[in-house]
Amino acid sequence: QKEVEQDPGPLSVPEGAIVSLNCTYSNSAFQYFMWYRQYSRKGPELLMYTYSSGNKEDGRFTAQVDKSSKYISLFIRDSQPSDSATYLCAMRVHMNSGYSTLTFGKGTMLLVSP
Amino acid sequence: DAGVTQSPTHLIKTRGQHVTLRCSPISGHKSVSWYQQVLGQGPQFIFQYYEKEERGRGNFPDRFSARQFPNYSSELNVNALLLGDSALYLCASSLDLWGSEGTQYFGPGTRLLVL
Repeated sequence: QKEVEQDPGPLSVPEGAIVSLNCTYSNSAFQYFMWYRQYSRKGPELLMYTYSSGNKEDGRFTAQVDKSSKYISLFIRDSQPSDSATYLCAMRVHMNSGYSTLTFGKGTMLLVSP
Repeated sequence: DAGVTQSPTHLIKTRGQHVTLRCSPISGHKSVSWYQQVLGQGPQFIFQYYEKEERGRGNFPDRFSARQFPNYSSELNVNALLLGDSALYLCASSLDLWGSEGTQYFGPGTRLLVL
């Protein structure tokens, strides 16, 4: 079992739809949870960053963390064609040996059609 | 303020050759991490450097090495290139290692093709 599981999609939705992207994880030591957006042939761009369980909202984006279920979600309201990209969930734990690395899901490809 | 920069953007090498990739972190950031992203996969951790010291290493062979300079820029070196090393190599920088200051910001990547 991989540490972080994410459905690769593609997920196709019409413009204006609400999009739900999800990841599950197995390592209960993960402390920080991120969503990155990656356009084709570009580097990942940080969208949302959360630490505790609960919801965090930023504009059209809402990140949700449920540590008890080891499940995180990203919701996109009023989706736009410019949201078409791959969305990567990432999780971070600070290792006792003194470093802090990200573990990523495979990414979900989102296609928003006009 | 400039983001993370990486050079070169693209590179084509042949098997057995050596490659050096370069990264400049966001100004003020002390930590640099390197990741390898193969097509269709999420990035995989290679190294993390903080204050010029290696702090962590992922599950990559000894052909991969890196260093961080006094100005916090970094180089990733890969020796004896294999076809399987073809990937997007990403550099990420963070202010620090811990807490919210450990949040990592990525550069555009260097796309390496090994023939």
